[in-house]
Amino acid sequence: AQTVTQSQPEMSVQEAETVTLSCTYDTSENNYYLFWYKQPPSRQMILVIRQEAYKQQNATENRFSVNFQKAAKSFSLKISDSQLGDTAMYFCAFMRADMRFGAGTRLTVKP
Amino acid sequence: DGGITQSPKYLFRKEGQNVTLSCEQNLNHDAMYWYRQDPGQGLRLIYYSQIVNDFQKGDIAEGYSVSREKKESFPLTVTSAQKNPTAFYLCASRRDRDEKLFFGSGTQLSVL
Repeated sequence: AQTVTQSQPEMSVQEAETVTLSCTYDTSENNYYLFWYKQPPSRQMILVIRQEAYKQQNATENRFSVNFQKAAKSFSLKISDSQLGDTAMYFCAFMRADMRFGAGTRLTVKP
Repeated sequence: DGGITQSPKYLFRKEGQNVTLSCEQNLNHDAMYWYRQDPGQGLRLIYYSQIVNDFQKGDIAEGYSVSREKKESFPLTVTSAQKNPTAFYLCASRRDRDEKLFFGSGTQLSVL
């Protein structure tokens, strides 16, 4: 089974600054998908960004971008111009037939 | 509006009782999933189903059962064999292998 590791249980960042959340995964597959989900206090799961493993170009969604290093099995999330509304749990996820999640990083954006 | 509906939002279980969590989707998605989330933790896969009348165990299937008699519905039963059922349960679905998961709003299960 694939495993997903998020080594930063908690992080904080000042409003308007940039923060990077780390994620590594373990797989023997070549084709797969990677995701970052956000879970605010409401506990609703919200998709932030996704990356297809066969694409070399890193995905970008407005203030959110990833650094996908396939050989290193690394998939970090960069949040630019952090906003108070970015405060949430962030989960990295790996998908083939099923989706497996990391343990999460609790991000706090400070005013 | 299309989406995933989980009910109830809050559920209480007595000792030795089986309870069933409902998950319904009108997105015409083939695959459906159940996850368990403990406080401050990530999501752990309980069961998933890629097609009607078929389902696979996830990492923590013991003490749980599911059925997939209809494409739209994937109920989860928490049996009395699950000794620590208090958790937040999330249902999700997806259309194809390359699609994101769509999540329901969750059910909080507590033991009385």
